[in-house]
Amino acid sequence: ETGVTQTPRHLVMGMTNKKSLKCEQHLGHNAMYWYKQSAKKPLELMFVYSLEERVENNSVPSRFSPECPNSSHLFLHLHTLQPEDSALYLCASSQDRDTYTYEQYFGPGTRLTVT
Amino acid sequence: AQSVTQLDSHVSVSEGTPVLLRCNYSSSYSPSLFWYVQHPNKGLQLLLKYTSAATLVKGINGFEAEFKKSETSFHLTKPSAHMSDAAEYFCVVSDRNQLTFGKGTKLSVIP
Repeated sequence: ETGVTQTPRHLVMGMTNKKSLKCEQHLGHNAMYWYKQSAKKPLELMFVYSLEERVENNSVPSRFSPECPNSSHLFLHLHTLQPEDSALYLCASSQDRDTYTYEQYFGPGTRLTVT
Repeated sequence: AQSVTQLDSHVSVSEGTPVLLRCNYSSSYSPSLFWYVQHPNKGLQLLLKYTSAATLVKGINGFEAEFKKSETSFHLTKPSAHMSDAAEYFCVVSDRNQLTFGKGTKLSVIP
């Protein structure tokens, strides 16, 4: 778990605010992921980056904007969020995009509350 | 298409008794399967994974899981529960490009 860090751990923001979530992996991995974890629902994959290139975007609203400046860092930029966006946002990384072979390592998450 | 069903949303056991967390899956391919654990206010930690080698997989903290193709099951077991095992457990299936997570089973351990 300590191989993937996320900041901040907790965030409260109004619907008109702009904020960013940060993820950093210290494992030398090539793929990074953003997930949303809401109560009573399975984890939802939001974005996938492989070698700094976005390879998947699972119909996520445009108020969520990812950025991957290098293979170790991943950001999620937030703007004009809705209360239903309140959730735990998890970052993960894996050696490679092939999820059959390579397990994903998760950060501790950012608990986001939208007021 | 693939899917995962965790049959119990909540399991409660006494400390020192066996743990059984049930998982059934469906997949068009020969899948790989994982169990992850999430303690309160923490990220997910890999317990074990199956990738078409031995059908009985041993993981960390004394957990193991058995892949049964005929039953499309991958149940997680532990012979003796410890208080520190109280957490939420996720069964996950992979078809190479994407993980599909179950809804989770919350395990409570009674002293």
